[in-house]
Amino acid sequence: QVQLQESGPGLVKPSQTLSLTCTVSGGSISSGGYYWSWIRQHPGKGLEWIGYIYYSGSTYYNPSLKSRVTISVDTSKNQFSLKLSSVTAADTAVYYCARDYAGLGGPFDYWGQGTLVTVSS
Amino acid sequence: EIVLTQSPGTLSLSPGERATLSCRASQSVSSSYLAWYQQKPGQAPRLLIYGASSRATGIPDRFSGSGSGTDFTLTISRLEPEDFAVYYCQQYGSSPSTFGGGTKVEIK
Repeated sequence: QVQLQESGPGLVKPSQTLSLTCTVSGGSISSGGYYWSWIRQHPGKGLEWIGYIYYSGSTYYNPSLKSRVTISVDTSKNQFSLKLSSVTAADTAVYYCARDYAGLGGPFDYWGQGTLVTVSS
Repeated sequence: EIVLTQSPGTLSLSPGERATLSCRASQSVSSSYLAWYQQKPGQAPRLLIYGASSRATGIPDRFSGSGSGTDFTLTISRLEPEDFAVYYCQQYGSSPSTFGGGTKVEIK
C-alpha cells in the first residue's frame, strides 16, 4: 500500500520561500510509471493543482504558479519536494502531495494527509 | 484553462435516497478525462471515479459516473451515512488540470 507524507514548516513569512517534502513509502518513485504531484486547497475552498515531477526529473507546472514553483525529486530518499517563492497570504493553504498515474495532472489515486501552511509575519 | 462548475452547491438528502451531482465544463473535456473525488472534513480527497465512469479500486458500486463532452454526473444510488461529504470533479484532459468548486452532500 502506497503512503505519502508531507513535512515542512507550518508557518512561513511573507516574501519568503515555502518548502515542503513528500516522503513516499510502500513503493519506489524510481520504478517509474507514476508522476508525483503537489496540490493545494485554500481554507474552505476548492483544490488547485500545482505541478508534478517524474522520477527522471522532468516537471510540469501550472502556468498560474510556474514563475514561483520548483518541484524536485530525490530518488535515493524516495522523496519529492516543493518550493514556492515570494509567498503572500494568498498562498496560505493545505498542501497535499499525491500520486498521478496518468501524467496528466490527474487522476490522483494516493494522497498524503495534507499539511497546513500559513503565510504570516 | 477549463472551468468546471458543480451544481448544486449543497444537496440535502436523507440516508437511502439517491444523489445526483452535476459537473459542467466550460469546454469539451478531452477523452472524457473526468474524475470525481470525495472529501470528508480534515481528510484528503479520495478518488471515486476516473475516465468519467470507471470506479477506482475499492469504491462501492453505489457510486457511478456518466457523461461526456461538457456535462458529467456523479450518482450515488442509495446514500449511506458515510457518504455525506463534499464531492469534487476534476478534468485532466487539458493542461492545466482543474477542479470544480465542490458539492456538499449533507444530511437532511
